[in-house]
Amino acid sequence: EIVLTQSPGTLSLSSGERATLSCRASQRVSSDYLAWIQQKPGHPPRLLIHGASNRARGVPDRFSGSGSGTDFALTISRLEPEDFAVYYCQQYGSSPYSFGQGTKLEI
Amino acid sequence: QLLLQESGPGLVKPSETLSLTCSISRGAMTSYHWNWIRQAPGKGLEWIGHIYYSGSTDYNPSLKSRVTMSIDISGNKFFLNLTSVTSADTAMYYCAREDGWYGADYWGQGAQVIVSS
Repeated sequence: EIVLTQSPGTLSLSSGERATLSCRASQRVSSDYLAWIQQKPGHPPRLLIHGASNRARGVPDRFSGSGSGTDFALTISRLEPEDFAVYYCQQYGSSPYSFGQGTKLEI
Repeated sequence: QLLLQESGPGLVKPSETLSLTCSISRGAMTSYHWNWIRQAPGKGLEWIGHIYYSGSTDYNPSLKSRVTMSIDISGNKFFLNLTSVTSADTAMYYCAREDGWYGADYWGQGAQVIVSS
């Protein structure tokens, strides 16, 4: 099983700042099948990035994903108030699929 | 826009079976994997498993002995059964469509399940 470790656990920033979230895998993620998922309190998860660096439909271009192999990152170029949420990485290239423990992005 | 909706009992007694349905509307089920994912209170996301439209399944080894998924293509639904539940199975249960490389692109709103006598 691939274990995903996200850092930091909590990231405290202000609107307008740049956020960089990290996800490290215990083994190479097959074909870069790595997703980033956003979850706001009381809401279901929402896919932001698939294939490590591809924005899902309707996702603003301030969100970008990068990385390959075992090291991945999600960057939010300029934080908007609605971006404060919990972010998970997920690998879906090898069974069992797995999620990171999440990074809470707070004001 | 594809819609997914989970349904099922919100309260299940310990040792009994948790059964949930995910109903799909405004889209077809063919050519996709259909996932169940859960989230215990205050915790992260856990992949339970998925079922392909053909009926083939893949489960998380941590739950494999207790999980069964099935699918009804003509009825646009798929199902989760989890046997011998304990309080550790108390969670929000989400269904989600997985479109290969495009990932889990559509999610339901979730069904809260509490395991308690």
